[in-house]
Amino acid sequence: DAMVIQNPRYQVTQFGKPVTLSCSQTLNHNVMYWYQQKSSQAPKLLFHYYDKDFNNEADTPDNFQSRRPNTSFCFLDIRSPGLGDAAMYLCATSRLSGKDTQYFGPGTRLTVL
Amino acid sequence: RKEVEQDPGPFNVPEGATVAFNCTYSNSASQSFFWYRQDCRKEPKLLMSVYSSGNEDGRFTAQLNRASQYISLLIRDSKLSDSATYLCVVYTSGYSTLTFGKGTMLLVSP
Repeated sequence: DAMVIQNPRYQVTQFGKPVTLSCSQTLNHNVMYWYQQKSSQAPKLLFHYYDKDFNNEADTPDNFQSRRPNTSFCFLDIRSPGLGDAAMYLCATSRLSGKDTQYFGPGTRLTVL
Repeated sequence: RKEVEQDPGPFNVPEGATVAFNCTYSNSASQSFFWYRQDCRKEPKLLMSVYSSGNEDGRFTAQLNRASQYISLLIRDSKLSDSATYLCVVYTSGYSTLTFGKGTMLLVSP
């Protein structure tokens, strides 16, 4: 009965090799988010979509891109991963707006060699 | 000044103890408040919303003090399974998304 699904759960990539992380949801929620979380730190919002409306956080590096082809799916593309991009990447959804409860996927742990 | 501040802990308590966490927020326009729980290497999950009048859910009590801009979480009769990181989360009108604190780690021992 998974509601927010992330694939893969673990991803290993080489320095500079592009990688794509995927997220899907069965909740039919309007809003989808991508967060980066490093050890002992708060989840850091990278970007979010209100339906198809893309919102990029001001401090999200250009190296990070996102696509939301439909309501259910959202992708995070890291064009040239650096060692500092190793982290847990969390996808979340909320029903209508930013103040609604967020439902998180299990995350993808990215390792950069 | 950080938007949402929490004591990172860890708070080490024995089973059955009562423990309280505080969280402060910097923006007086913040309007909605939550506690999320995050187990080690897992995703955050909503524990409870925090209402102005205070609210209780079983062993958990959340309170909001708007004048002092802090939120608290009280856990009574701690269980081993309460061991986790507790994230204080704030919604501020105009920011359009939630702001997470770094979390407070709780370790409950037998």
